[in-house]
Amino acid sequence: EAGVAQSPRYKIIEKRQSVAFWCNPISGHATLYWYQQILGQGPKLLIQFQNNGVVDDSQLPKDRFSAERLKGVDSTLKIQPAKLEDSAVYLCASSLEGGGNQPQHFGDGTRLSIL
Amino acid sequence: DQQVKQNSPSLSVQEGRISILNCDYTNSMFDYFLWYKKYPAEGPTFLISISSIKDKNEDGRFTVFLNKSAKHLSLHIVPSQPGDSAVYFCAASPNSWGKLQFGAGTQVVVTP
Repeated sequence: EAGVAQSPRYKIIEKRQSVAFWCNPISGHATLYWYQQILGQGPKLLIQFQNNGVVDDSQLPKDRFSAERLKGVDSTLKIQPAKLEDSAVYLCASSLEGGGNQPQHFGDGTRLSIL
Repeated sequence: DQQVKQNSPSLSVQEGRISILNCDYTNSMFDYFLWYKKYPAEGPTFLISISSIKDKNEDGRFTVFLNKSAKHLSLHIVPSQPGDSAVYFCAASPNSWGKLQFGAGTQVVVTP
């Protein structure tokens, strides 16, 4: 089975610019997650979708971050405008259903550097 | 507020010996605990999990122990192999929509 696909793998932008990341989850997985992982820390959940509805976006900085999952499959995460502190790896994950007992399958992430 | 803590940032162990990774948590609502393994430039990979109704779960060389009263869990890898060199993340979730809280990770290096 194909894993979670993310693109691009790397992105370098200047502060105040905008950037978008794309994620294609494992086929049939209803739940999709976006995480931010800052160097030296564990992944932090930004937003969780169940099909195309938002389950949890409590830690998403909504003044600059947005995400959508149209048609309940692919998802995009956008940052506009970017700040220096947004430098991190952005990970997408998916699982069959939401729930703590459902292992999440991660993509390889997008490494974002803000100059 | 860091609800899941891995206090050892790194661990070095000889090949063939046991690796013991520790994790502490503060939220008594956590019901599921998972360990993920991460190689450089790759996403985390699920390794093993345990629910709060158990105190031990074993899968091949990997065993996770849960002590609910102490809010502590550990991952044992026996015997350790060079391919086990990676960062290991402990994660915890309540029995609801599965919002995972991750620890900061422990870098394991297995030496020949």
